[in-house]
Amino acid sequence: DTAVSQTPKYLVTQMGNDKSIKCEQNLGHDTMYWYKQDSKKFLKIMFSYNNKELIINETVPNRFSPKSPDKAHLNLHINSLELGDSAVYFCASSQGGPPGNTIYFGEGSWLTVV
Amino acid sequence: GDSVTQMEGPVTLSEEAFLTINCTYTATGYPSLFWYVQYPGEGLQLLLKATKADDKGSNKGFEATYRKETTSFHLEKGSVQVSDSAVYFCALRGGSARQLTFGSGTQLTVLP
Repeated sequence: DTAVSQTPKYLVTQMGNDKSIKCEQNLGHDTMYWYKQDSKKFLKIMFSYNNKELIINETVPNRFSPKSPDKAHLNLHINSLELGDSAVYFCASSQGGPPGNTIYFGEGSWLTVV
Repeated sequence: GDSVTQMEGPVTLSEEAFLTINCTYTATGYPSLFWYVQYPGEGLQLLLKATKADDKGSNKGFEATYRKETTSFHLEKGSVQVSDSAVYFCALRGGSARQLTFGSGTQLTVLP
């Protein structure tokens, strides 16, 4: 009973392709996130949804489009993949509001663009 | 804006050595502070947290104390094991922010 699960875990694809990463949480949380981890392990927020509404949209190319069909799911679609998109993408969730509430992360999706 | 500065790595220690990884932060208001750990090939796991000044978070022998006067949240462990080898991230969640702001991570390698 994984709390935050994302698929696929590994993805190797060619430049120019379109791909999606799916994320689901079974914690009953109202807020979900996508983070990107680059090759130097640096983690940066990309998007956040609260109750299916976009609340954080950092400076990310518009080739990246999040979609939240309901509050338990947050998918990430990437168009026209580029070499620089190679990274680990982490989905996460929390019960939004108090800053002391823990943010729980999925296992990560390792994307390699060739 | 909010920021976290973390000790540069990599850090290499012998088993049973004492560990300190320094973390300082800049934030408005009263953030909550976290340490996450990432084992090789895995996702991020919460190691410990503290939500107000002078709180001490602890887990698996690791400890960190929220020091408002020095804006620090240093991670310590008295005796590291080979299985502690991982990347450690300090992070904060500010008063009005929903997301975590992470430090750059510190790679720890423990040798037998």
